[in-house]
Amino acid sequence: SSELTQDPAVSVALGQTVRITCQGDSLRSYYASWYQQKPGQAPVLVIYGKNNRPSGIPDRFSGSSSGNTASLTITGAQAEDEADYYCNSRDSSGNHHVVFGGGTKLTVL
Amino acid sequence: QVQLQESGPGLVKPSGTLSLTCAVSGGSISSSNWWSWVRQPPGKGLEWIGEIYHSGSTNYNPSLKSRVTISVDKSKNQFSLKLSSVTAADTAVYYCARDDDYRNAFDIWGQGTMVTVSS
Repeated sequence: SSELTQDPAVSVALGQTVRITCQGDSLRSYYASWYQQKPGQAPVLVIYGKNNRPSGIPDRFSGSSSGNTASLTITGAQAEDEADYYCNSRDSSGNHHVVFGGGTKLTVL
Repeated sequence: QVQLQESGPGLVKPSGTLSLTCAVSGGSISSSNWWSWVRQPPGKGLEWIGEIYHSGSTNYNPSLKSRVTISVDKSKNQFSLKLSSVTAADTAVYYCARDDDYRNAFDIWGQGTMVTVSS
């Protein structure tokens, strides 16, 4: 399968923990990467590999994976974390294609 | 650090060809990375269009493959996208991005350029 499935919307109370999930067959073979996108801006990489953060990404962002599901967890969500989040990975069919999830709109209440 | 900058017409007529260029600065396009195009229709999610390696090897989204050509110009340190037979459904913000060989993720993105298909 070449699809990654995300919940369209998730909400979290300020300071609480939220998990955003991404499901797909390709995740059995590849780690998901996670991107944060705020309105009018380009996506920003927040998690890659098993659980790695690029420089400048707060440590409240973490990643995990089990079977065909990858998760992005924000521990102690802040108002500035309100954004769209996308997962992606290589297609598991071996043709080196890239697939994106449909995105999750995170609202911080 | 490496930066990417898209350029090209913001308006393309239906049935025409969309042409964009991504200039790479602060680093070499001949590094061990793939270089991709990603688009985002207004209010919708991200869609991978395709990628190129500095050798000229390419991979394309199967849904767009018949209309897409991605090329590289190492002398100018840039890569380009051509999308033919465009319709209103191709209206989107088009991003170029670096697929970092170590991180296996899109670690650097251009700011994006809006392309509208309209007569």
